[in-house]
Amino acid sequence: GNSVTQMEGPVTLSEEAFLTINCTYTATGYPSLFWYVQYPGEGLQLLLKATKADDKGSNKGFEATYRKETTSFHLEKGSVQVSDSAVYFCALSSSGSARQLTFGSGTQLTVLP
Amino acid sequence: GAGVSQSPSNKVTEKGKDVELRCDPISGHTALYWYRQSLGQGLEFLIYFQGNSAPDKSGLPSDRFSAERTGGSVSTLTIQRTQQEDSAVYLCASSLGQVDGYTFGSGTRLTVV
Repeated sequence: GNSVTQMEGPVTLSEEAFLTINCTYTATGYPSLFWYVQYPGEGLQLLLKATKADDKGSNKGFEATYRKETTSFHLEKGSVQVSDSAVYFCALSSSGSARQLTFGSGTQLTVLP
Repeated sequence: GAGVSQSPSNKVTEKGKDVELRCDPISGHTALYWYRQSLGQGLEFLIYFQGNSAPDKSGLPSDRFSAERTGGSVSTLTIQRTQQEDSAVYLCASSLGQVDGYTFGSGTRLTVV
């Protein structure tokens, strides 16, 4: 079946530091890949996505590239801000008709001023 | 409405009682999903609705869990004879049927004491 493995947290960085959150996946077929973000007290929001190999998703300074050869979709940001403190979830879509998402366990990021 | 609305936002119940969680999706969204987020865990898929029918109930953890959707809109997730392991945040999402159009609600935090 499908699965997503995320870098375990929590991750604590200083403002303007470089961020990488690793994500690898196992899936049949050709899944779409996603990063969702959950700010404190809020629901999950789609951060970025990529639907085929070598696609790069980007939003709000965050980027992730769909690497089929390494089955990875690592999240990166060059300079984090305090406002980026949140929980980040990597996810993939199943190729079945239900189109449900399979999520990783989430990575808590705290950015200190 | 403008977003996915879930109620109640918090629910504390005694072990053995039944609870009902409500999800009001974005108007016009045909697909509706329920997920469960346990402490320190990722999101666990529970059930998917397309219109009023549920083609995928594979994630419901036991027969104490059931869900319905009426009028292609509001959905209710019912947990009977609650147990302490049911304590979690229950998230609802809706979409027009495309997985990259998921919009999540803020969730219902269920605590079974």
